[in-house]
Amino acid sequence: NAGVTQTPKFQVLKTGQSMTLQCAQDMNHEYMSWYRQDPGMGLRLIHYSVGAGITDQGEVPNGYNVSRSTTEDFPLRLLSAAPSQTSVYFCASSRGTTFEQYFGPGTRLTVT
Amino acid sequence: GQQLNQSPQSMFIQEGEDVSMNCTSSSIFNTWLWYKQDPGEGPVLLIALYKAGELTSNGRLTAQFGITRKDSFLNISASIPSDVGIYFCAGLRSNFGNEKLTFGTGTRLTIIP
Repeated sequence: NAGVTQTPKFQVLKTGQSMTLQCAQDMNHEYMSWYRQDPGMGLRLIHYSVGAGITDQGEVPNGYNVSRSTTEDFPLRLLSAAPSQTSVYFCASSRGTTFEQYFGPGTRLTVT
Repeated sequence: GQQLNQSPQSMFIQEGEDVSMNCTSSSIFNTWLWYKQDPGEGPVLLIALYKAGELTSNGRLTAQFGITRKDSFLNISASIPSDVGIYFCAGLRSNFGNEKLTFGTGTRLTIIP
């Protein structure tokens, strides 16, 4: 199993550009989530999904959209990038909402 | 949003020393998790705790689920260079079906040569 994979690993965007961060898992996990990590802030939940077709907002959802059309994939979309979205983004998955989460390697995003 | 209080924020130790860190909250959690993050990588799960008072080991790592369910502790014995990294605690509590993981702000461990 590859576990949780994320692409790209690095990305630089200009303010106002849009892009999609990809996340996939091959563990047949129901629960997937997106976090952002900023210095001194730990990990903050952006959006999560408890199964295909179901998504919900986390702690910091503004400026981000998600969809979950399959169990395996959970892309994160930035519709109009802002410098405040410069961060490292991690995708995670787990068997269910009460089980431990496994993280991908992260995407480092810089918005200029 | 709430984040867990994790201390210390950073530690500078010599190889071979033991390490202790803790995580506290004003709220009760049903599950405590401890993760380690290496530079440029995602967090990796070290230990999961599911019951108040539980003490679980993973090699030189030992973690405990506090009896009040509001705290957790991680100890590393006889530290080695590969222990360097950031350690995060995370708590999970049921919220009418919307269980969400809450993270601490991390403890950065540095080993002084």
